[in-house]
Amino acid sequence: DAEITQSPRHKITETGRQVTLACHQTWNHNNMFWYRQDLGHGLRLIHYSYGVQDTNKGEVSDGYSVSRSNTEDLPLTLESAASSQTSVYFCASRENTGELFFGEGSRLTVL
Amino acid sequence: EDQVTQSPEALRLQEGESSSLNCSYTVSGLRGLFWYRQDPGKGPEFLFTLYSAGEEKEKERLKATLTKKESFLHITAPKPEDSATYLCAVHSPGNQFYFGTGTSLTVIP
Repeated sequence: DAEITQSPRHKITETGRQVTLACHQTWNHNNMFWYRQDLGHGLRLIHYSYGVQDTNKGEVSDGYSVSRSNTEDLPLTLESAASSQTSVYFCASRENTGELFFGEGSRLTVL
Repeated sequence: EDQVTQSPEALRLQEGESSSLNCSYTVSGLRGLFWYRQDPGKGPEFLFTLYSAGEEKEKERLKATLTKKESFLHITAPKPEDSATYLCAVHSPGNQFYFGTGTSLTVIP
């Protein structure tokens, strides 16, 4: 079965370190997204991509970057982790129409 | 600004006690309204998509309805396994998805 996988599922890091969260999907979807989920907020869009070599900033993109070198992967990088980036991160993908399919999430703690 | 508001924030029901969750939105030119279920420690799981006012979708004990300003998720005779957080999201003309903060449902045996 096609799926979307995230790694690591849990990570603890220190302020100032670079962190990369991986996202891999096997649906061959062109559209991929990164969201963060925090108490009191809905899922908020960080970055998204509509295809290889395409990346776009979302609502809360400061301090984050993504790259899209193939259809299957959209890694999310925190250049210099901050405590405000402690959150649960979800990757999602979709076809050009229809619903978003989500991964299981990556819980990041920045100390 | 496009907004999605869900109510109530939390709901506790006795097993078998039917109720409804609300999702109101201010997006003009809605391209779709989506309902998801999210269990603790998991990613959101797709339930329904509604595209136009008057549309209804059903799945087991859940029924979703849509008007021009809001959507309802009706839960009939819920069971403890229906306990989860229910999220709604709207797909805007700008091709963005806006999520509500969810309703946390607890069904007590």
